[in-house]
Amino acid sequence: KAGVTQTPRYLIKTRGQQVTLSCSPISGHRSVSWYQQTPGQGLQFLFEYFSETQRNKGNFPGRFSGRQFSNSRSEMNVSTLELGDSALYLCASSTGGNEQFFGPGTRLTVL
Amino acid sequence: DQQVKQNSPSLSVQEGRISILNCDYTNSMFDYFLWYKKYPAEGPTFLISISSIKDKNEDGRFTVFLNKSAKHLSLHIVPSQPGDSAVYFCAASALGNEKLTFGTGTRLTIIP
Repeated sequence: KAGVTQTPRYLIKTRGQQVTLSCSPISGHRSVSWYQQTPGQGLQFLFEYFSETQRNKGNFPGRFSGRQFSNSRSEMNVSTLELGDSALYLCASSTGGNEQFFGPGTRLTVL
Repeated sequence: DQQVKQNSPSLSVQEGRISILNCDYTNSMFDYFLWYKKYPAEGPTFLISISSIKDKNEDGRFTVFLNKSAKHLSLHIVPSQPGDSAVYFCAASALGNEKLTFGTGTRLTIIP
């Protein structure tokens, strides 16, 4: 089975722009979660989608949003980028249980 | 408020010996615990998990121990191999909740 894939792998944006990241889960997995990893804050939960519905949300501002499509693929969007949004964004999928399998991440740099 | 803590940022172990990584948690709602291994510029790789109804789970060279009364878990790697050098994260979740709360990680270095 193919693993979780994320595109693009690297992105450079400037402050004020917006960005969309994409995640394709493992085939058959209906839950997709997003995490942000920074050196200072570690791995922080952003949100989780299951069957196109957001089930959980972390403590991030409304500039961070996401959605899930009927094929379980998910996107996350960050609007009005700030320097502090520079991070590795990780997507994880699961069947709905607790074991999540992560993709390689998208490295976002905001200049 | 760090609900999952890994108090050792780094650990060095001789090849062939046992590596013990520790993790403490504060939230008594957590009932499922996982260990992930991470290399730079890659996503975390799932290693092993344990639910709160057990106190031990074993998978090959990896064993996780859970002490619920102490809110403490540990990962034992025996024998340690050079390929085990990575950052290890423990994570916790509550039943039915996909949200994982991660510790800050321990960098394990295996010395040949």
